[in-house]
Amino acid sequence: AQTVTQSQPEMSVQEAETVTLSCTYDTSENNYYLFWYKQPPSRQMILVIRQEAYKQQNATENRFSVNFQKAAKSFSLKISDSQLGDTAMYFCAFMKRPGNQFYFGTGTSLTVIP
Amino acid sequence: EAGVAQSPRYKIIEKRQSVAFWCNPISGHATLYWYQQILGQGPKLLIQFQNNGVVDDSQLPKDRFSAERLKGVDSTLKIQPAKLEDSAVYLCASSLIQRNTEAFFGQGTRLTVV
Repeated sequence: AQTVTQSQPEMSVQEAETVTLSCTYDTSENNYYLFWYKQPPSRQMILVIRQEAYKQQNATENRFSVNFQKAAKSFSLKISDSQLGDTAMYFCAFMKRPGNQFYFGTGTSLTVIP
Repeated sequence: EAGVAQSPRYKIIEKRQSVAFWCNPISGHATLYWYQQILGQGPKLLIQFQNNGVVDDSQLPKDRFSAERLKGVDSTLKIQPAKLEDSAVYLCASSLIQRNTEAFFGQGTRLTVV
C-alpha cells in the first residue's frame, strides 16, 4: 500500500518570501508520479506541479519548484515570492503506474501574510 | 474544454436517509475517481473506474455505499442509509490513461448528515 505523509498541518509565510512544504511517501513501486495540488476555500483542486519518478531533474513551474529525493522518498514544494493568492490547502499526491491510482496526504494549510 | 461537472453542490439529509451524487467527467477521460474528503483531512479514494469497470474499491464501505458508471461516462455515487460520519465533501475526478497526466477534479458535493 502507498502512504503519503505531510508532517506540517499549518504553515505561514510573509508575502514575497519563500516557503517549503514537506512531503514523504512510502511505496515499493518503481513507476509512479508525484503531484502537488492546491485547494482554495472554493474546494476546487488545482494542479500546481508534477514530477515523474524516473526523471532526476526537479520540476519547476514559474514560482513553484520541487526537491525530489527518490532514495529518501521525499518530495517537497518550494514556493518563491509568495502571493496572497497562494493561501490554500496544499496536498501532496502519489499516482501509481499503471493503474493511475491516486493517493493523497493529509494536507498543509498555508497562509500568506500581507 | 469543459471541466468535471458534479451535482448537487450541497446536500443536507437526515441520518438513515439515502442520497445520490452525480459526476460527468471530462470528455474522453476513461478513468474516473470518487473521493471522500472529511473536513481537515486529505481526500480518501472510495472507488476508481476505468471505462465502466472497477479498478479499485477497496475503501468503499460496501454495506452502505454504491457506485456505478454506466456506458463508461457519467457516474453516480449513492449512500444508503447515511450516517453522521458520512458528512464530508465528495470529490469526483477524471484522467486520461493513454498518456501520463494528472487527475482533474470537480468542485465537489458537500454533504451534511444531521
